[in-house]
Amino acid sequence: QSVLTQPPSASGTPGQRVTISCSGSSSNIGSNTVNWYQQLPGTAPKVLIFGNNQWPSGVPDRFSGSKSGTSASLAISGLQSEDEADYYCAAWDVSLNGWVFGGGTKLTVL
Amino acid sequence: QVQLVQSGAEVKKPGASVKVSCKASGYTFTTYGISWVRQAPGQGLEWMGWISAYYGHTNYAQKFQGRVTMTTDTSTTTAYMELRNLRSDDTAVYYCTRESQVGPTIFFAYWGQGTLVTVSS
Repeated sequence: QSVLTQPPSASGTPGQRVTISCSGSSSNIGSNTVNWYQQLPGTAPKVLIFGNNQWPSGVPDRFSGSKSGTSASLAISGLQSEDEADYYCAAWDVSLNGWVFGGGTKLTVL
Repeated sequence: QVQLVQSGAEVKKPGASVKVSCKASGYTFTTYGISWVRQAPGQGLEWMGWISAYYGHTNYAQKFQGRVTMTTDTSTTTAYMELRNLRSDDTAVYYCTRESQVGPTIFFAYWGQGTLVTVSS
C-alpha cells in the first residue's frame, strides 16, 4: 500500500492528451513539492518533472505537472508510442521523515 | 558526466546479508547525498534511506531501521547499502540515486543501473 495514490493504468492514442493523478495528504503533497519519474521497461527511473512543474533539461514540454492542495497531476500532450512507460509521483513526507512514492501508473499507447 | 555504477546481481539465502555498492563519478562526491530505492518484481518504488556523502549522516525509512546500514567511502567515491536478515520479500532491484537541488526542491536526478538481489532457499 503506497502512501501516495495513483491509478494503476492509463491509456491513450497517439496525439492525445492524458493525465495521471497523484493523491496524498497534508504531510506530503500538502506541504512539499511533487516530483514525477518515468520508468521505461527494463530501465532505471528518470526524473520527468520536479518541483511540481519544472522540467529537467532534455525533457520535452509535452510533459507538464501541476499541484493543488494534497493532489498533483502529470499531463502528457501529443502522446507518442515512446511515452509507453510506468510513471511515479514522489514527495517528501514530514511525518514519516522520508520520501514516499505513488504505486505507479502504467501508461499504454494504443 | 555523472555516473552511478552499481555492483552485480546477488543471490542470497534467507537470513543472510547483502552489500550493494554504488561507484560515483563525474561530480564532487561529498557535495550530494545518496538515497537507496528498491523495486520488487512488478511493484513500485520504495525509498529505503539516505546518507550524506560528506558527513556520513543517515536517515533510514522506519521499515528498514535495524536491518539496513548505509555507508560511504570518500576515498573511492563509493556508497554502500547493506541489508541484513534477508527474507524472500526482499527480492528486488536495488537502485542508488543521487539527489540534486534547484532552489528549495530536491529530486533524484541520477540513478544507478540497479542491482537485482534474489533471496531464495
